[in-house]
Amino acid sequence: NAGVTQTPKFRVLKTGQSMTLLCAQDMNHEYMYWYRQDPGMGLRLIHYSVGEGTTAKGEVPDGYNVSRLKKQNFLLGLESAAPSQTSVYFCASSYALAAADTQYFGPGTRLTVL
Amino acid sequence: GQQVMQIPQYQHVQEGEDFTTYCNSSTTLSNIQWYKQRPGGHPVFLIQLVKSGEVKKQKRLTFQFGEAKKNSSLHITATQTTDVGTYFCAGPKRSGGSYIPTFGRGTSLIVHP
Repeated sequence: NAGVTQTPKFRVLKTGQSMTLLCAQDMNHEYMYWYRQDPGMGLRLIHYSVGEGTTAKGEVPDGYNVSRLKKQNFLLGLESAAPSQTSVYFCASSYALAAADTQYFGPGTRLTVL
Repeated sequence: GQQVMQIPQYQHVQEGEDFTTYCNSSTTLSNIQWYKQRPGGHPVFLIQLVKSGEVKKQKRLTFQFGEAKKNSSLHITATQTTDVGTYFCAGPKRSGGSYIPTFGRGTSLIVHP
């Protein structure tokens, strides 16, 4: 089992460009999450999904969109990247709602917006 | 703002010394989780505490959940260089009709050999 995988691992964008980050899990988990991690700020939840076809906003959703067309995949989109979106992005999944269950994290995507 | 406050932000210790990080919430938590993130790595689940006053041990790591379920601590006895990393606590925060995980800002442990 690969667990949770993320692509790409690194990316550099110019302001205004768009991109999609892909998260895939092979554990048949219902719940999936996107976080961003900035120095000294811990992990902040961007969006999450409680099942195929569903998405919900987390703490810091502005500037991001997500889709969960297949149970195993959770996509995070940036329509018009801004320097403030420079961060490390982590995807996670859990069998039950993460507030009461173990989250399994992917290796992360380091994004720089110039 | 973040619901769970974690202190200290950094801790330098000599190898062999003990280490403790604290997590505090203004509201009662139904549970609290602890994660470890090695430098350049991703968070890895360590443990979940659910009961008031609960204490759990994993080798040299001791986790406690306060009687009021508003605070928690992680204590490492006789630190080793392999303990280096950032330790996060996470508690549930109400969001709409559901609960979402909210992480503390983490405590970075630096162990000097």
